[in-house]
Amino acid sequence: NAGVTQTPKFQVLKTGQSMTLQCAQDMNHEYMSWYRQDPGMGLRLIHYSVGAGITDQGEVPNGYNVSRSTTEDFPLRLLSAAPSQTSVYFCASSYDRAGGYTFGSGTRLTVV
Amino acid sequence: LAKTTQPISMDSYEGQEVNITCSHNNIATNDYITWYQQFPSQGPRFIIQGYKTKVTNEVASLFIPADRKSSTLSLPRVSLSDTAVYYCLVGDFGGYQKVTFGTGTKLQVIP
Repeated sequence: NAGVTQTPKFQVLKTGQSMTLQCAQDMNHEYMSWYRQDPGMGLRLIHYSVGAGITDQGEVPNGYNVSRSTTEDFPLRLLSAAPSQTSVYFCASSYDRAGGYTFGSGTRLTVV
Repeated sequence: LAKTTQPISMDSYEGQEVNITCSHNNIATNDYITWYQQFPSQGPRFIIQGYKTKVTNEVASLFIPADRKSSTLSLPRVSLSDTAVYYCLVGDFGGYQKVTFGTGTKLQVIP
């Protein structure tokens, strides 16, 4: 089925560990973004990309890196996990500039 | 991006029409208005998008007055399954996309 696929769905990390959250879409969307959502909160933008090779920072980029080597994939790297990064992470993609995002099902990350 | 203001929560009985209003006083000429729905433990789902007047799809209607400083999402005859958080977003996103979400409106449908 066409859509946005995120892996893993759940992850527990120890403080200081690093990991990569995977995001892939098969809709040939140019625009992709990463958000985090904390309990009872809205979504906050971490990083976004307007096409392969082009990325930029969102509201809360510290502690995260991204790259976009292909149109399909947009991985999010946690460099040195901290308890403050415990959250649900959503990846999204869109075909145009005006919105209309398709979201993945999320990755629930716990840092202990 | 234009700042948006929505009610934090709303309650409605099943079968009623629900209207959720979003204020966006500093909306720009090129901005679109987009609404999303989010269920617990799921990512947001695109509902409807508009620029002016009225837009309708199989799920909802979006009413935008002439001055575009507000918009109203209308859900006809809600059911328990419409209990969710609804987000209003405004922006044209220029040459890049920097879409930010507020805290949304939590709609509780009561049987």
